[in-house]
Amino acid sequence: AQSVTQLDSHVSVSEGTPVLLRCNYSSSYSPSLFWYVQHPNKGLQLLLKYTSAATLVKGINGFEAEFKKSETSFHLTKPSAHMSDAAEYFCVVTRYNQGGKLIFGQGTELSVKP
Amino acid sequence: EPEVTQTPSHQVTQMGQEVILRCVPISNHLYFYWYRQILGQKVEFLVSFYNNEISEKSEIFDDQFSVERPDGSNFTLKIRSTKLEDSAMYFCASSDGDSRTDTQYFGPGTRLTVL
Repeated sequence: AQSVTQLDSHVSVSEGTPVLLRCNYSSSYSPSLFWYVQHPNKGLQLLLKYTSAATLVKGINGFEAEFKKSETSFHLTKPSAHMSDAAEYFCVVTRYNQGGKLIFGQGTELSVKP
Repeated sequence: EPEVTQTPSHQVTQMGQEVILRCVPISNHLYFYWYRQILGQKVEFLVSFYNNEISEKSEIFDDQFSVERPDGSNFTLKIRSTKLEDSAMYFCASSDGDSRTDTQYFGPGTRLTVL
């Protein structure tokens, strides 16, 4: 069965420094993978998704993620953090070749210091 | 940009009472979902709904839960007799397809507190 693990529950960075949020998935096949972000009192917003096309996926607000099958990873990065990036980030996986139910990681809270 | 909305944002109820959580999905979407997140735990899938029928439900979604699309715009989750352990954030989502490449769009959530 598919699963996803976010390796850090909380990450703190300074404004202007790089962001790395780590995600590993468990799947017998290549699933679809998503990163969602949740700002306080807002819905879960899609940042980017991987669906078996290009392994380097670019998303909104300067975020990108690279699908690495050999490492079963889908880490989220951004070259330079902005104060507005402070939020909760969720790595999400689908079941292989099947939509519907999404499987969530436990979330990573990103703090950005001035 | 179209968005999923949910009401209320926060619901407080007594154990044993019925609650109805409401969602307005994106207007041209046909697939609807409920998820929940108990404090400190992962977001969990509850149920998916299409063409006025439940497509799939999780083990959590027992006889105490039901979903309905009472009109062309609303999608509701009813809990008949709430328990303390139902306290959670409930998220509604919708999509225009159900393949693994389709994006689910989420609402802001309803925080349910059962006393």
